[in-house]
Amino acid sequence: GENVEQHPSTLSVQEGDSAVIKCTYSDSASNYFPWYKQELGKRPQLIIDIRSNVGEKKDQRIAVTLNKTAKHFSLHITETQPEDSAVYFCAAFSGNTGKLIFGQGTTLQVKP
Amino acid sequence: EAGVAQSPRYKIIEKRQSVAFWCNPISGHATLYWYQQILGQGPKLLIQFQNNGVVDDSQLPKDRFSAERLKGVDSTLKIQPAKLEDSAVYLCASSSQGDTQYFGPGTRLTVL
Repeated sequence: GENVEQHPSTLSVQEGDSAVIKCTYSDSASNYFPWYKQELGKRPQLIIDIRSNVGEKKDQRIAVTLNKTAKHFSLHITETQPEDSAVYFCAAFSGNTGKLIFGQGTTLQVKP
Repeated sequence: EAGVAQSPRYKIIEKRQSVAFWCNPISGHATLYWYQQILGQGPKLLIQFQNNGVVDDSQLPKDRFSAERLKGVDSTLKIQPAKLEDSAVYLCASSSQGDTQYFGPGTRLTVL
């Protein structure tokens, strides 16, 4: 079945450094890739997304890249701040099944 | 624009009891989803509605879980009887286009 692998499971960086989270998907019909940020006890919030006809998208300090050939996509956060600390989930949406499959999550800790 | 609303926010019950959760999606969103999120994991889809019809309930444990979306707006998810392993956060999400999903705050269920 469809699967999304996310790495690393935990990531600790110093404030100001960059953080990169990588995901790999299995369903070649996947055409939409959102990233969600979930703070402790709160709802997952959409922070950025990318569609399969685009290779890269940037929004201020966050960017997402997509490599359709290799079936992987990555989240890049630059100039990290303590408020970036949260669990980040990648997901892949299949146009065939209409399902959004989530990765296992990455706990990002930004140390001041 | 109001977000996805859910209630209650927290629920504690004993095993074998029943419980119901309510969700009100973003106005105009035709697609509604119920997810189960176990601590430390990504959300797992339980059921997907398109208007008032079920699109996918393949991951719903139908011997104990049921869900309905009368009139294609609000939805209710019920568990009867609850088991210890049902302890999780139950997230409702809605979508207008079928891919970008917006989540509610979730209901944290503890089964003792």
